Amino acid sequence: QVQLVESGGGVVQPGRSLRLSCEVSGFTFSTYGMHWVRQAPGKGLEWVAVLSYDGGKKYYADSVKGRFTISRDNSKNTLYLQMNSLRAEDTAVYHCAKWGISRTFDIWGQGTMVTVSS
Amino acid sequence: EIVLTQSPGTLSLSPGERATLSCRASQSVTSTYLAWYQQKPGQAPRLLIYGASSRATGIPDRFSGSGSGTDFTLTISRLEPEDFAVYYCQQYGSSLWTFGQGTRVEIK
Repeated sequence: QVQLVESGGGVVQPGRSLRLSCEVSGFTFSTYGMHWVRQAPGKGLEWVAVLSYDGGKKYYADSVKGRFTISRDNSKNTLYLQMNSLRAEDTAVYHCAKWGISRTFDIWGQGTMVTVSS
Repeated sequence: EIVLTQSPGTLSLSPGERATLSCRASQSVTSTYLAWYQQKPGQAPRLLIYGASSRATGIPDRFSGSGSGTDFTLTISRLEPEDFAVYYCQQYGSSLWTFGQGTRVEIK
């Protein structure tokens, strides 16, 4: 059974850092690219970042470039998102998602909530 | 960056009716890279359609996608109670992924 389980969310003050994790099971993690997608409360979906299967290529949305870093540990079947210099507008549920056919997001985790507030 | 605009914002229909959702792109999108998702409250999104018109695994045939260039459509032929949800289109281009703002399909 394919599962993506995010963790690491919480309440953090503006300007501080947080690291999210996404533990994967049920498929060969090391052969797929992985994404982070976020959803602010009551709002739509926003793609955040993508990382290739081997960690060699990564791309970011302009809104997080220079502040967030996506990484992975294939030996632990885990994807990470290091979030620095957090802002109120980063408040959202953060989902990890598997790279799917035709550049889609074919499997999603339930998400972890990040709240940036003083 | 390609902007996707979905319309209408909300669609009020009854079970059994046909739903037609629109997704318009600010510039031409490669059909191969146009997808649709369904999201219910408190749940993660679910992939419905990829490549503009191909159904994902396990998606009922009442869901269909069409379109090309800048205009794409998701059609639900006969709404079932479980289809009332928010629907998003999504595209990929130039190493960036973008979503439309969503269409809510609600029970009339």
